[in-house]
Amino acid sequence: SAVISQKPSRDICQRGTSLTIQCQVDSQVTMMFWYRQQPGQSLTLIATANQGSEATYESGFVIDKFPISRPNLTFSTLTVSNMSPEDSSIYLCSACAGWGMNTEAFFGQGTRLTVV
Amino acid sequence: DAKTTQPPSMDCAEGRAANLPCNHSTISGNEYVYWYRQIHSQGPQYIIHGLKNNETNEMASLIITEDRKSSTLILPHATLRDTAVYYCIPSTAQKLVFGQGTRLTINP
Repeated sequence: SAVISQKPSRDICQRGTSLTIQCQVDSQVTMMFWYRQQPGQSLTLIATANQGSEATYESGFVIDKFPISRPNLTFSTLTVSNMSPEDSSIYLCSACAGWGMNTEAFFGQGTRLTVV
Repeated sequence: DAKTTQPPSMDCAEGRAANLPCNHSTISGNEYVYWYRQIHSQGPQYIIHGLKNNETNEMASLIITEDRKSSTLILPHATLRDTAVYYCIPSTAQKLVFGQGTRLTINP
């Protein structure tokens, strides 16, 4: 198993500013992902964080708004840029320790972001 | 990605078996069926997964129909701590696409 730590756990930010969320895994993992969960909704995949290269974004998400870094196998950051109240959500980091289908994903506890 | 249909909510009495159904009629041959749950204010938690055989672990059992178009997650002796939203997710990789899930409430 893997333990995922996210920082900060919550924040209140002014519109127009940016926030960087950190995700640290306690063991080397193969894949890392970032999700968003808007109030009362299910999780939506933002992107796959690729080590040493640009992240792979899902439809509706762009690098200018959600730049992602993954400098090594255990760490990734997600930045929410030029925030507006619509960005108020829980942002979750996920990681997998193996390749292929016979593995499970682990999730952090999330970062609760409120934009005012 | 295969689409799923799950009942939006279910209730179950504490100590009884909770049976959560999921329809995934468009599942492809190489997609596993994963089940996760999300307890309030926490990140999702892995429960179990399977390809075509029934599976059991310490948390639950997974029954997959022979045609793989549907599955049932069974929590054999539900407790109050099993109250959560349960997600059924067909997937070929760990890039999980979450549907709306089933909100399971365990009642004392």
